[in-house]
Amino acid sequence: GAGVSQSPRYKVAKRGQDVALRCDPISGHVSLFWYQQALGQGPEFLTYFQNEAQLDKSGLPSDRFFAERPEGSVSTLKIQRTQQEDSAVYLCASSLLTAGPNEQFFGPGTRLTVL
Amino acid sequence: AQTVTQSQPEMSVQEAETVTLSCTYDTSESDYYLFWYKQPPSRQMILVIRQEAYKQQNATENRFSVNFQKAAKSFSLKISDSQLGDAAMYFCAYRRGPSSNTGKLIFGQGTTLQVKP
Repeated sequence: GAGVSQSPRYKVAKRGQDVALRCDPISGHVSLFWYQQALGQGPEFLTYFQNEAQLDKSGLPSDRFFAERPEGSVSTLKIQRTQQEDSAVYLCASSLLTAGPNEQFFGPGTRLTVL
Repeated sequence: AQTVTQSQPEMSVQEAETVTLSCTYDTSESDYYLFWYKQPPSRQMILVIRQEAYKQQNATENRFSVNFQKAAKSFSLKISDSQLGDAAMYFCAYRRGPSSNTGKLIFGQGTTLQVKP
């Protein structure tokens, strides 16, 4: 079956521009996560949704970052007034449930470059 | 706060040989989950193996096995009969247990594994 998909795969933005990154999770997966991965580093948690509810946004680095999942499926991560330090790969992951050792399935990521 | 440490930035192994990747973590919790993820150059992260902290038996998945030492807070990954396709970056990750309302993963810094033919 289809895995987690993300679009665009690559995004180049000028400093100060707004960007929107899309994530299509596996159908039926309740939980959705966003992570930020700097070059050569491990992913860092940004935010978590259970269905349409954003239950944890403790990892969002600033109020320029905003995420939504209005119908409990597709999610969008928006970054306003992008800065060079926002350059990273943004990974989306989904899992069937949150409870238990459920596997998180990752998308291919969106590589954001801010010039 | 929980932390995960991978002290080996790079490792190398000869094809068909065995290699062990190290991971230590810090937590005050007694129930949690540990994972090893593989990230090939294409960047799509895939799960290699998982361990539930309450289980004393070490998890195994074909050529992959772990050495889980709860008291030492150590969770190493052993890859037997290494194959060229095993070349990737490997991440150790921690997740809080059932009492948590978030399933977020806390990752280590990663270990790049090179497999030599």
